Amino acid sequence: NAGVTQTPKFRILKIGQSMTLQCTQDMNHNYMYWYRQDPGMGLKLIYYSVGAGITDKGEVPNGYNVSRSTTEDFPLRLELAAPSQTSVYFCASTLNFLGTDTQYFGPGTRLTVL
Amino acid sequence: KNEVEQSPQNLTAQEEEFITINCSYSVGISALHWLQQHPGGGIVSLFMLSSGKKKHGRLIATINIQEKHSSLHITASHPSDSAVYICAVSKYGGSQGNLIFGKGTKLSVKP
Repeated sequence: NAGVTQTPKFRILKIGQSMTLQCTQDMNHNYMYWYRQDPGMGLKLIYYSVGAGITDKGEVPNGYNVSRSTTEDFPLRLELAAPSQTSVYFCASTLNFLGTDTQYFGPGTRLTVL
Repeated sequence: KNEVEQSPQNLTAQEEEFITINCSYSVGISALHWLQQHPGGGIVSLFMLSSGKKKHGRLIATINIQEKHSSLHITASHPSDSAVYICAVSKYGGSQGNLIFGKGTKLSVKP
């Protein structure tokens, strides 16, 4: 199993540009998450999905959109990039909604918006 | 106030030292997770516990549910243990399965 994969690893965007961060898992997990990690801060939840076709906002959703057309894929879209979106983004997945199962993380995408 | 607090924020140790990292939380939880983030950035799960104690190699994690406190211990530390250690909790009664994270403890083990 590849686990959770993310692309790209690094990206530099100009203000106002858009991009999609890709996330794929091959563990047949229903629950998937996008977190962002800012220096000196804990990871914050952006969006999550409890299954194909079902997504919802987390703690910091502004400026982002998601979709979940398949169990495997959970892309994160930035429509109008802003410097405040400079961060490291992690995709994660888990088996159950109770939080009592291991969370598996992707390797992260380091995004800089200039 | 953050729902998950870790201490210390930074820790420097000499090789072979016994290390303790602390985590306190203020919400009811279904589980507490200890994660490791290496300098390369990837995050891996070390432990998930809801009571008692777990051990894996030189790492030991304990939790006291009544006191809402957990500790991660590293015995005979090694430079390869240098990483950021993150405490995270799953809120009791949650339906999302997501974690709430502490800010992490940066550990540096010197040879």
